[in-house]
Amino acid sequence: TQLLEQSPQFLSIQEGENLTVYCNSSSVFSSLQWYRQEPGEGPVLLVTVVTGGEVKKLKRLTFQFGDARKDSSLHITAAQTGDTGLYLCAGVDQAGTALIFGKGTTLSVSS
Amino acid sequence: EAGVVQSPRYKIIEKKQPVAFWCNPISGHNTLYWYRQNLGQGPELLIRYENEEAVDDSQLPKDRFSAERLKGVDSTLKIQPAELGDSAVYLCASSLGGLRVETQYFGPGTRLLVL
Repeated sequence: TQLLEQSPQFLSIQEGENLTVYCNSSSVFSSLQWYRQEPGEGPVLLVTVVTGGEVKKLKRLTFQFGDARKDSSLHITAAQTGDTGLYLCAGVDQAGTALIFGKGTTLSVSS
Repeated sequence: EAGVVQSPRYKIIEKKQPVAFWCNPISGHNTLYWYRQNLGQGPELLIRYENEEAVDDSQLPKDRFSAERLKGVDSTLKIQPAELGDSAVYLCASSLGGLRVETQYFGPGTRLLVL
């Protein structure tokens, strides 16, 4: 069974701080997706990383896929209160037919 | 363009009662997913449809859960009878189609509380 471990599980920071969320597995994934989920809503796709070592930037968010395609990180620069939410990583298996979600990191940014 | 629509948004029932959730995917999306998300957890796949065919229902507890996608558009997920442990958010998602995982678009979910 493929598992994705996310850390930390909870993160509470002040506006303006930087943070990094990690997503790790012992399995290789063909690609990895990051979602953000706000209370009362479904997850919304932020980015998909496909190539080992790939780095993608989305405004203040930087996503990196590990060289071995087993892990990923999300870095947020100068966090804002609007970044508050549940951040989920999800790996696509090697066959490309299944999406496996991690348990998520709950981020709270206060002003 | 309308997103994935789910109803009801909230449901409170007593254990042993039946309950049903409805999902209308994005127009033109052939693949439909039902996920269950427990509090503080990521979504877990229950069933995946390609048009009207269930191509992956390995995680669906078939003793009490059933699903259908008549005509390959709308879908209904049913629980009968509900148990306390079924309290969770039930998410529906859709994607364009094909066996390979593509970008999935999620609905807002139905929050079920079993008392």
